[in-house]
Amino acid sequence: DTGVSQDPRHKITKRGQNVTFRCDPISEHNRLYWYRQTLGQGPEFLTYFQNEAQLEKSRLLSDRFSAERPKGSFSTLEIQRTEQGDSAMYLCASSLDSDRRTDTQYFGPGTRLTVL
Amino acid sequence: GNSVTQMEGPVTLSEEAFLTINCTYTATGYPSLFWYVQYPGEGLQLLLKATKADDKGSNKGFEATYRKETTSFHLEKGSVQVSDSAVYFCALIMFSGGYNKLIFGAGTRLAVHP
Repeated sequence: DTGVSQDPRHKITKRGQNVTFRCDPISEHNRLYWYRQTLGQGPEFLTYFQNEAQLEKSRLLSDRFSAERPKGSFSTLEIQRTEQGDSAMYLCASSLDSDRRTDTQYFGPGTRLTVL
Repeated sequence: GNSVTQMEGPVTLSEEAFLTINCTYTATGYPSLFWYVQYPGEGLQLLLKATKADDKGSNKGFEATYRKETTSFHLEKGSVQVSDSAVYFCALIMFSGGYNKLIFGAGTRLAVHP
C-alpha cells in the first residue's frame, strides 16, 4: 500500500500565474476528494470524483479552479490567474466505495501553495 | 447546517498527563465521526472512528465514544507522550447525494513537554 501521493509538495508562484497540482490515489480506490486547508483551520471540501466523473463541486471552487480525473486514476487540480487568497494547503484524499457508513478517506501529504 | 466544534488550543501538557480534547457536532441524521491527526510537516492521518451511537473508537492509546445524547465525540488518552504533539481534528461524515463529505473542526494543537 503506497498511500496517497501528491506533487509538488510546495509551490511558490506569482499572482496571476497558473498552477497545476497532481494527486495519485491509492490504486484500488475509486473515490477521490480535494480539500483546502488554510492556516489554523480544518480542511474544507472542494470537489469529489467517483471514478472519472466529477459529481460535486463546492461553492468555494470558483471558475478559476478546475479539476479532472482522466480514466479514473490520478487527478489534477488547476488554478488559473492565482490570487493571494489562494494560498493554502491543498489536500487530496481517496476512499473505496464499499460500505457507506465505514467508508474512510485517506489523505495525501498535501501541496502547500504560496502566492506572492 | 452540519458542523463540528472543537476546544481551542493550544493544549500544553507534561509527559504522562491525561488528555481530553472536546468535540461536539451538529448534524442532520446520524453521521459517522472521526479523529484525524496531523503531525508537523505531514498530511492528515486517521486516528480513530465510530460509526454509530455508543461505539468507541480506539487506536494507539487514544479513545473516543460516540455520544448521541450529548452530540459529542471527545478524544482521550490516559498518558500522553512527547511524540503525541500534533494537531488533532475532529470530523463528521455526511452521506449526501451519493458521496461522503468530511466536515472538520478547526483543529486543536497539542504540545507535550518532557
